[in-house]
Amino acid sequence: TQLLEQSPQFLSIQEGENLTVYCNSSSVFSSLQWYRQEPGEGPVLLVTVVTGGEVKKLKRLTFQFGDARKDSSLHITAAQPGDTGLYLCAGQAGNMLTFGGGTRLMVKP
Amino acid sequence: KAGVTQTPRYLIKTRGQQVTLSCSPISGHRSVSWYQQTPGQGLQFLFEYFSETQRNKGNFPGRFSGRQFSNSRSEMNVSTLELGDSALYLCASRRVAGGSGGEQFFGPGTRLTVL
Repeated sequence: TQLLEQSPQFLSIQEGENLTVYCNSSSVFSSLQWYRQEPGEGPVLLVTVVTGGEVKKLKRLTFQFGDARKDSSLHITAAQPGDTGLYLCAGQAGNMLTFGGGTRLMVKP
Repeated sequence: KAGVTQTPRYLIKTRGQQVTLSCSPISGHRSVSWYQQTPGQGLQFLFEYFSETQRNKGNFPGRFSGRQFSNSRSEMNVSTLELGDSALYLCASRRVAGGSGGEQFFGPGTRLTVL
C-alpha cells in the first residue's frame, strides 16, 4: 500500500505570510498532483508534476517534485484569505491515484 | 460544458439500510471513479469504471459496489449501512481510465449521514 504523508495537517496564518506544505512518501510516483478543496465542493486540480526535480509556478504558488519522485512541496507566497481551503496531494502509480491526508489552511485577514 | 454532477447532494439513512448514489460525468468522459472522504481517513479510492467495466478497486468491503451504464453514468451502492459509512462520497470523471487518462474532474459530492 502506498502512503502519502502530508504536513502540517492544520495551518492558521495571517494574510501576507508565506507557508510551505509537504507531501512525503517512501514510494515512487510517476506523477504527483496537488488539489484544493473548498467546503461543499469537490477537489480542483491545481497542478501536475511529472519529472523529478520539476518546479512549477502558478501565480503565488510554487510546486516542487522531489528528485526521486517520492515527495513534493507546495509553497505559497504572501498568502491571502482566498487561499483558505484544504490542500491535497495525490500520487499516481500505475492506474492508482493515492491521496495524502490533506492540509487545512486558514488565512486570516 | 457542464461539470460532473452528483445526486443527491445530501442523504440521511439509518443503520442496516442501503443507499444508491448517482454520478453523471462530463460529456465525452468515459471513466468514472468513486472516492470516500472522511475526516479521519481522508480521501480513499473506492473503484473506477470504464466502458461499463470495473477497472480498479480500492480496499473496501463487498458492501460497496458500483456499476456504469452505456452512457457513462455511474451509480454506487452501499448495502447494510454502518455508522462508519457516514462520509462525503465523491465522483470524478476523466476521458479514459488509467494513469494517462487525463485530468480528473470531481463532482461536489454526496454527503451521507448514517444514524
